[in-house]
Amino acid sequence: GAVVSQHPSWVICKSGTSVKIECRSLDFQATTMFWYRQFPKQSLMLMATSNEGSKATYEQGVEKDKFLINHASLTLSTLTVTSAHPEDSSFYICSVPGLAGVDEQFFGPGTRLTVL
Amino acid sequence: QKEVEQNSGPLSVPEGAIASLNCTYSDRGSQSFFWYRQYSGKSPELIMSIYSNGDKEDGRFTAQLNKASQYVSLLIRDSQPSDSATYLCAVKKDSNYQLIWGAGTKLIIKP
Repeated sequence: GAVVSQHPSWVICKSGTSVKIECRSLDFQATTMFWYRQFPKQSLMLMATSNEGSKATYEQGVEKDKFLINHASLTLSTLTVTSAHPEDSSFYICSVPGLAGVDEQFFGPGTRLTVL
Repeated sequence: QKEVEQNSGPLSVPEGAIASLNCTYSDRGSQSFFWYRQYSGKSPELIMSIYSNGDKEDGRFTAQLNKASQYVSLLIRDSQPSDSATYLCAVKKDSNYQLIWGAGTKLIIKP
Protein backbone atom coordinates (compact mmCIF):
# COMPACT_ATOMS: atom_id res chain seq x y z
CA GLY A 1 0.00 0.00 0.00
CA ALA A 2 0.90 3.64 -0.25
CA VAL A 3 3.02 5.32 2.40
CA VAL A 4 1.61 8.63 3.55
CA SER A 5 3.07 11.13 5.98
CA GLN A 6 1.52 14.12 7.70
CA HIS A 7 3.09 17.05 9.43
CA PRO A 8 2.72 18.15 12.11
CA SER A 9 1.38 15.21 14.12
CA TRP A 10 -0.14 17.58 16.63
CA VAL A 11 -0.51 21.33 16.96
CA ILE A 12 -1.91 23.70 19.56
CA CYS A 13 -2.79 27.21 18.46
CA LYS A 14 -4.62 30.27 19.69
CA SER A 15 -8.07 31.16 18.43
CA GLY A 16 -7.92 33.33 15.32
CA THR A 17 -4.63 32.00 13.99
CA SER A 18 -4.14 29.85 10.88
CA VAL A 19 -2.66 26.38 10.84
CA LYS A 20 -1.19 24.52 7.86
CA ILE A 21 -1.15 20.74 7.71
CA GLU A 22 0.93 18.89 5.13
CA CYS A 23 0.15 15.52 3.59
CA ARG A 24 2.82 13.75 1.56
CA SER A 25 2.62 10.62 -0.56
CA LEU A 26 6.07 9.12 -0.10
CA ASP A 27 6.21 6.27 -2.56
CA PHE A 28 4.09 7.23 -5.53
CA GLN A 29 2.55 10.20 -7.24
CA ALA A 30 -0.99 10.99 -6.20
CA THR A 31 -3.20 13.12 -8.41
CA THR A 32 -5.95 12.83 -5.81
CA MET A 33 -5.80 13.04 -2.03
CA PHE A 34 -8.59 13.16 0.51
CA TRP A 35 -8.93 15.20 3.68
CA TYR A 36 -11.00 13.88 6.56
CA ARG A 37 -11.95 15.21 9.96
CA GLN A 38 -12.79 13.06 12.93
CA PHE A 39 -14.28 14.33 16.18
CA PRO A 40 -13.91 12.23 19.35
CA LYS A 41 -15.92 9.00 19.28
CA GLN A 42 -17.27 9.79 15.82
CA SER A 43 -16.53 8.32 12.43
CA LEU A 44 -14.56 9.85 9.62
CA MET A 45 -16.08 12.79 7.80
CA LEU A 46 -14.81 13.56 4.33
CA MET A 47 -14.08 17.26 4.06
CA ALA A 48 -12.72 17.57 0.54
CA THR A 49 -11.03 15.90 -2.37
CA SER A 50 -7.73 17.47 -3.32
CA ASN A 51 -6.85 17.40 -7.02
CA GLU A 52 -3.36 18.09 -8.28
CA GLY A 53 -3.23 21.21 -10.40
CA SER A 54 -6.88 22.15 -9.95
CA LYS A 55 -9.33 23.29 -7.31
CA ALA A 56 -10.35 21.01 -4.51
CA THR A 57 -13.85 19.59 -4.35
CA TYR A 58 -15.48 20.31 -1.01
CA GLU A 59 -18.22 18.30 0.64
CA GLN A 60 -21.49 19.95 1.48
CA GLY A 61 -21.27 22.06 4.60
CA VAL A 62 -17.48 22.47 4.50
CA GLU A 63 -16.42 26.10 4.08
CA LYS A 64 -13.87 26.32 1.30
CA ASP A 65 -12.69 29.75 2.45
CA LYS A 66 -11.99 28.43 5.92
CA PHE A 67 -10.33 25.16 4.92
CA LEU A 68 -7.92 26.05 2.15
CA ILE A 69 -6.53 23.14 0.18
CA ASN A 70 -3.55 23.31 -2.15
CA HIS A 71 -2.34 20.33 -4.15
CA ALA A 72 0.62 21.88 -5.92
CA SER A 73 2.55 18.71 -6.68
CA LEU A 74 1.91 15.02 -7.15
CA THR A 75 3.30 14.24 -3.71
CA LEU A 76 2.07 17.09 -1.54
CA SER A 77 -1.31 18.44 -0.49
CA THR A 78 -1.78 21.03 2.23
CA LEU A 79 -4.80 21.93 4.33
CA THR A 80 -4.83 25.34 5.96
CA VAL A 81 -7.36 25.99 8.70
CA THR A 82 -7.82 29.75 8.61
CA SER A 83 -8.90 31.81 11.62
CA ALA A 84 -9.17 28.67 13.70
CA HIS A 85 -11.69 28.49 16.54
CA PRO A 86 -12.08 25.97 19.36
CA GLU A 87 -14.80 24.15 17.42
CA ASP A 88 -12.20 23.38 14.74
CA SER A 89 -10.31 21.25 17.24
CA SER A 90 -10.31 17.79 15.75
CA PHE A 91 -8.22 14.99 14.27
CA TYR A 92 -7.43 15.77 10.63
CA ILE A 93 -6.39 12.85 8.44
CA CYS A 94 -5.41 12.69 4.80
CA SER A 95 -5.60 9.66 2.57
CA VAL A 96 -4.27 8.62 -0.80
CA PRO A 97 -5.92 6.19 -3.21
CA GLY A 98 -3.95 3.13 -4.15
CA LEU A 99 -2.44 2.56 -7.56
CA ALA A 100 -4.69 2.79 -10.61
CA GLY A 101 -7.30 0.08 -10.55
CA VAL A 102 -7.00 -0.33 -6.81
CA ASP A 103 -9.85 1.06 -4.75
CA GLU A 104 -8.28 1.10 -1.32
CA GLN A 105 -7.35 4.32 0.44
CA PHE A 106 -4.25 4.59 2.59
CA PHE A 107 -4.17 7.02 5.45
CA GLY A 108 -1.59 9.31 6.87
CA PRO A 109 -1.00 9.21 10.64
CA GLY A 110 -3.24 12.21 11.25
CA THR A 111 -2.82 15.65 12.81
CA ARG A 112 -4.45 16.47 16.11
CA LEU A 113 -5.40 20.16 16.20
CA THR A 114 -6.29 21.88 19.45
CA VAL A 115 -7.45 25.48 19.28
CA LEU A 116 -7.39 27.35 22.59
CA GLN B 1 -31.44 5.29 6.70
CA LYS B 2 -27.69 5.64 6.79
CA GLU B 3 -25.82 4.52 3.70
CA VAL B 4 -23.49 2.27 5.70
CA GLU B 5 -24.60 0.99 9.08
CA GLN B 6 -22.67 -0.69 11.85
CA ASN B 7 -23.53 -1.51 15.42
CA SER B 8 -21.51 0.91 17.52
CA GLY B 9 -20.86 -1.64 20.26
CA PRO B 10 -18.89 -2.10 22.31
CA LEU B 11 -18.65 -5.75 21.34
CA SER B 12 -16.91 -7.71 24.04
CA VAL B 13 -15.29 -11.04 23.09
CA PRO B 14 -13.12 -13.34 25.22
CA GLU B 15 -9.55 -13.86 24.14
CA GLY B 16 -9.22 -16.79 21.75
CA ALA B 17 -12.83 -16.63 20.57
CA ILE B 18 -14.16 -15.51 17.19
CA ALA B 19 -15.20 -11.88 16.88
CA SER B 20 -17.89 -11.18 14.32
CA LEU B 21 -18.43 -7.66 13.01
CA ASN B 22 -21.27 -6.76 10.69
CA CYS B 23 -22.02 -3.97 8.26
CA THR B 24 -25.00 -3.28 6.01
CA TYR B 25 -25.18 -0.88 3.11
CA SER B 26 -28.05 0.70 1.22
CA ASP B 27 -26.79 1.14 -2.36
CA ARG B 28 -27.30 -2.12 -4.21
CA GLY B 29 -24.87 -0.95 -6.90
CA SER B 30 -21.90 -0.79 -4.52
CA GLN B 31 -18.88 -2.64 -5.84
CA SER B 32 -16.01 -2.48 -3.36
CA PHE B 33 -15.99 -3.08 0.37
CA PHE B 34 -13.34 -2.48 2.97
CA TRP B 35 -12.64 -3.08 6.62
CA TYR B 36 -10.34 -0.70 8.45
CA ARG B 37 -9.04 -0.97 12.00
CA GLN B 38 -8.55 2.19 14.04
CA TYR B 39 -6.78 2.23 17.37
CA SER B 40 -7.63 5.06 19.72
CA GLY B 41 -5.84 8.23 18.71
CA LYS B 42 -4.52 6.70 15.50
CA SER B 43 -5.57 6.83 11.86
CA PRO B 44 -7.40 3.96 10.13
CA GLU B 45 -5.43 1.00 8.81
CA LEU B 46 -6.71 -1.20 5.97
CA ILE B 47 -7.42 -4.75 7.13
CA MET B 48 -9.35 -6.35 4.30
CA SER B 49 -10.90 -5.53 0.96
CA ILE B 50 -13.53 -7.66 -0.79
CA TYR B 51 -15.13 -7.24 -4.16
CA SER B 52 -17.12 -10.39 -4.94
CA ASN B 53 -19.64 -12.50 -3.08
CA GLY B 54 -18.30 -15.10 -0.72
CA ASP B 55 -15.45 -15.31 1.72
CA LYS B 56 -11.95 -13.88 1.57
CA GLU B 57 -9.41 -15.04 4.12
CA ASP B 58 -6.18 -13.39 5.22
CA GLY B 59 -4.54 -14.90 8.24
CA ARG B 60 -6.91 -14.66 11.20
CA PHE B 61 -9.26 -12.37 9.29
CA THR B 62 -12.11 -13.42 7.01
CA ALA B 63 -14.30 -10.97 5.14
CA GLN B 64 -17.68 -12.14 3.94
CA LEU B 65 -19.77 -10.39 1.32
CA ASN B 66 -23.40 -11.02 0.43
CA LYS B 67 -24.53 -8.54 -2.19
CA ALA B 68 -28.07 -9.93 -2.37
CA SER B 69 -28.58 -9.19 1.32
CA GLN B 70 -26.37 -6.09 1.19
CA TYR B 71 -24.14 -6.95 4.06
CA VAL B 72 -20.47 -7.44 4.63
CA SER B 73 -18.91 -8.95 7.72
CA LEU B 74 -15.50 -9.42 9.25
CA LEU B 75 -14.57 -12.43 11.34
CA ILE B 76 -11.50 -12.41 13.55
CA ARG B 77 -10.41 -15.86 14.68
CA ASP B 78 -8.35 -16.50 17.81
CA SER B 79 -9.03 -12.96 19.02
CA GLN B 80 -6.16 -11.26 20.80
CA PRO B 81 -6.20 -8.26 23.17
CA SER B 82 -4.27 -6.39 20.46
CA ASP B 83 -7.35 -6.71 18.24
CA SER B 84 -9.19 -4.34 20.56
CA ALA B 85 -9.96 -1.33 18.39
CA THR B 86 -12.73 0.31 16.42
CA TYR B 87 -13.46 -1.41 13.12
CA LEU B 88 -14.74 0.78 10.30
CA CYS B 89 -16.66 -0.54 7.32
CA ALA B 90 -16.31 1.44 4.08
CA VAL B 91 -18.11 1.05 0.78
CA LYS B 92 -17.20 2.42 -2.64
CA LYS B 93 -20.33 3.19 -4.62
CA ASP B 94 -19.26 4.40 -7.99
CA SER B 95 -16.43 5.25 -10.29
CA ASN B 96 -14.78 7.97 -8.26
CA TYR B 97 -12.49 7.31 -5.36
CA GLN B 98 -14.82 8.30 -2.54
CA LEU B 99 -15.65 5.86 0.22
CA ILE B 100 -18.81 5.89 2.29
CA TRP B 101 -18.00 5.14 5.93
CA GLY B 102 -19.87 3.43 8.70
CA ALA B 103 -19.68 4.84 12.20
CA GLY B 104 -17.54 1.93 13.37
CA THR B 105 -17.87 -0.89 15.90
CA LYS B 106 -15.77 -0.81 19.03
CA LEU B 107 -14.34 -4.27 19.74
CA ILE B 108 -12.98 -5.22 23.14
CA ILE B 109 -11.07 -8.48 23.56
CA LYS B 110 -11.03 -9.53 27.18
CA PRO B 111 -8.00 -11.53 28.40
